[in-house]
Amino acid sequence: EVQLVETGGGLVQPGNSLKLSCATSGFTFSTAWMNWIRQTPGKRLEWLAQIEDKSNNYFISYLESVKGRFTISRDDSKSSVYLQMNNLKEEDTAIYYCTYDNYWGQGVMVTVSS
Amino acid sequence: DVVLTQTPVSLLISLGGQASISCRSSQSLVHSNGNTYLHWYLQKPGQSPQLLIYQVSNRFSGIPDRFSGSGSGTDFTLKISRVEPEDLGVYYCLQRTHNPPTFGSGTKLEIK
Repeated sequence: EVQLVETGGGLVQPGNSLKLSCATSGFTFSTAWMNWIRQTPGKRLEWLAQIEDKSNNYFISYLESVKGRFTISRDDSKSSVYLQMNNLKEEDTAIYYCTYDNYWGQGVMVTVSS
Repeated sequence: DVVLTQTPVSLLISLGGQASISCRSSQSLVHSNGNTYLHWYLQKPGQSPQLLIYQVSNRFSGIPDRFSGSGSGTDFTLKISRVEPEDLGVYYCLQRTHNPPTFGSGTKLEIK
């Protein structure tokens, strides 16, 4: 059974940083292309980033509006993917989902507020 | 970025009735490889989105044949026949033909 479990969310002040983790199981992580997607309080879904597998040189792509602030990474030895978020803004408040193919985690809440 | 316009914003359907949701794209979703990467998701209350239909008209594993997708180019439709209580939630279209992937704004299905 495919499982994706996000952790690391919480309340953070504007300008601060947060690192989300997504632990996975039930599939061959090393060949998986992993994504982060978020859902705003208004329920809008927004794709953020993708990291490909080793055979594709871990190619990374980002939504333009988060490029330079967010960094996606992976650790194949831990079957985990990460999202480092810096210089957070109030508009980054959302539920953050880790996804693989058609599978989504349960999401983790990030609230950016002073 | 590709803009997906979903209509209607909400639907109120009787049990056993039929629902139709439109997703229109700001540009053609036909990939250079000939495939069309337009998918439909349902987000039930309190849950993550789940895949219903992939590549326009293919039902995902375990999805009943009450759900059907159609369309081409820039116009796509999701139809739900014989609506059941478990169909309530928000339906989203997603395109992965062009980068970045983009979602429609969602259609909320409520049951009378």
